[in-house]
Formats: sequence, C-alpha cells, structure tokens
Amino acid sequence: QKEVEQNSGPLSVPEGAIASLNCTYSDRGSQSFFWYRQYSGKSPELIMFIYSNGDKEDGRFTAQLNKASQYVSLLIRDSQPSDSATYLCAVNEGSGGSYIPTFGRGTSLIVHP
Amino acid sequence: GAVVSQHPSRVICKSGTSVKIECRSLDFQATTMFWYRQFPKQSLMLMATSNEGSKATYEQGVEKDKFLINHASLTLSTLTVTSAHPEDSSFYICSAREGLGRDTQYFGPGTRLTVL
Repeated sequence: QKEVEQNSGPLSVPEGAIASLNCTYSDRGSQSFFWYRQYSGKSPELIMFIYSNGDKEDGRFTAQLNKASQYVSLLIRDSQPSDSATYLCAVNEGSGGSYIPTFGRGTSLIVHP
Repeated sequence: GAVVSQHPSRVICKSGTSVKIECRSLDFQATTMFWYRQFPKQSLMLMATSNEGSKATYEQGVEKDKFLINHASLTLSTLTVTSAHPEDSSFYICSAREGLGRDTQYFGPGTRLTVL
C-alpha cells in the first residue's frame, strides 16, 4: 500500500522563524513530489514541486528531497502569520504512466505574532 | 500559471435531487482530471481519476453509479452526484493535469455541496 506520511501537528512557530515540514513516502519508485498549501475552507494551491535529490528554492520556500531516505521536506523562512495553513505533501507514485498522486494527511502550521 | 475553474462554488439542494459540478482547465489541455472529496477537518480523499475520452477509474468504496463522471473534452470534466443525500454533503474539489507523467496537478476552487 502506497503511503505518504506527515505529522498532523499543529506545528507552532513564532513569526520570523523557520518552519520545517516533513513528509515520508513508501514507494521507492516515486518520481515527483509536490507541496501544496490549503487554507481552511479553500482548495489546495501549489507551492512547489521537486523531482531531483537536493534542494530547490523559491522565494521563502525551500523543498528538500532525499530519495535514499524517502523523505521530502519544506522549509519556510521568515514565517508570517499568513503562512498559517495546512501543508499537503503529494507524491506521484506508480508505473506504466499511471502516476496516480498520493497525498499525505497534511501538517497544520500556526505562525503566531 | 495554470488555472482550473469549478462551477458552482456552492450549492444547496434537497435530498433526492441530482447535482452536476463542472471542472474546466482554462489555459491548458487536461489529459487527466481528478475528483476529490473533503469532509471538515479531514484530509483529501481521491474519488476518481478521469482521462479524456475514457471511463473514469473510481477508488475503492466510491459508487460509480452515484458519482457519475464525464470527461468529454480536454478542458471539461463533470461530476454528477445522483440522488444526493445529507451524507453526501461535502467539499468537492477537482484537479487537472496536462500530461500523464510527472506533471503538476492544479486544483479548482472547490464546490461546497449541502444536501438538506
């Protein structure tokens, strides 16, 4: 069974701090990895994706992928109260071109002033 | 960026009626569209995957005769909740993906269904 695991939280950080969100996945054949942000009552919005091992930076966000350890993380620098949301990790797993995405249950992030 | 629209954004209906939800990819052609359901404070649950021109693939436990999915074109997929009941009240979200591979899926804004 394909699994994507996230700590449900909540993760509470002070404004201006670095928030670190982690995700592990079970299928070693996974090819692509995504982070989405979901505000309460809204649909998920894409933050970034990563395909290769290492770090990928986009503004205040950095995604880190380690395929050997089967984890992907998201760092949010200079956290703002507006970053308070649920962060979903998604992994494209599968073979033969099916690539059905699997989502984690999400980590709730609270950034307090 | 890629834009996916959903209509209606909110619907309230009586028990026993059918409700159709439209999902459109506005600036790209979506080979694959996904339909999700999310209950309050719970995670996304994939209901079905639809590829243009073929029958949808439903997840285990999702009744295909109750949740009818049509993906008639590369920019439009519809979900019809037939004979809706109060337990079908939920937040329904579609997403669209351009290719079969690693391409990103983009979410629509969601449709909040309330069945009285």
